[in-house]
Amino acid sequence: DQQVKQNSPSLSVQEGRISILNCDYTNSMFDYFLWYKKYPAEGPTFLISISSIKDKNEDGRFTVFLNKSAKHLSLHIVPSQPGDSAVYFCAASLRGSNYKLTFGKGTLLTVNP
Amino acid sequence: NAGVTQTPKFRILKIGQSMTLQCAQDMNHNYMYWYRQDPGMGLKLIYYSVGAGITDKGEVPNGYNVSRSTTEDFPLRLELAAPSQTSVYFCASSYRGLRGNQPQHFGDGTRLSIL
Repeated sequence: DQQVKQNSPSLSVQEGRISILNCDYTNSMFDYFLWYKKYPAEGPTFLISISSIKDKNEDGRFTVFLNKSAKHLSLHIVPSQPGDSAVYFCAASLRGSNYKLTFGKGTLLTVNP
Repeated sequence: NAGVTQTPKFRILKIGQSMTLQCAQDMNHNYMYWYRQDPGMGLKLIYYSVGAGITDKGEVPNGYNVSRSTTEDFPLRLELAAPSQTSVYFCASSYRGLRGNQPQHFGDGTRLSIL
């Protein structure tokens, strides 16, 4: 049973436009969420996180939105750049856990010049 | 800065063989983790350690063993390789746990095939 779902395997956007990557979760005990970016043949790199006490967190071009009632979060990248082309993973941590993450399957973002 | 170093990068094993995946970090991080990523899937936690001498099981520990004798090193041992262990293995470290602004740093992975 997949508790963190990224239902879009891939997304293609034009350079300069907004990229929106979506993530849904089923376990209401998740209270901390993270986004990672991964290039081929490299390990994941942390992008941005959000606690369930917030509904938005922003870091430069990256903004994460959390809708707890819908159990949904999204990552917005504005403006998108070709270097943003990578696989993006959504991950969630259970309340009280500081070590274990549940990952989604990832979404491949392609930003076209 | 080396960060998290994993060796080897690639390995092919025969069923029943054993091997150790090496992981070293030079950031003096207390916490270290081992994940596996199967094709088309997200990462799954195998084992983690909160400090030298302390390890604990993650989501998928069966078939693996770990040790943490030093802060820097966190090797992962496969005793009897099985085809189901074909995967990409990632080691990660963090100064504290997952929360806050000091997240995990990952190595570049070890691609392991069991034939």
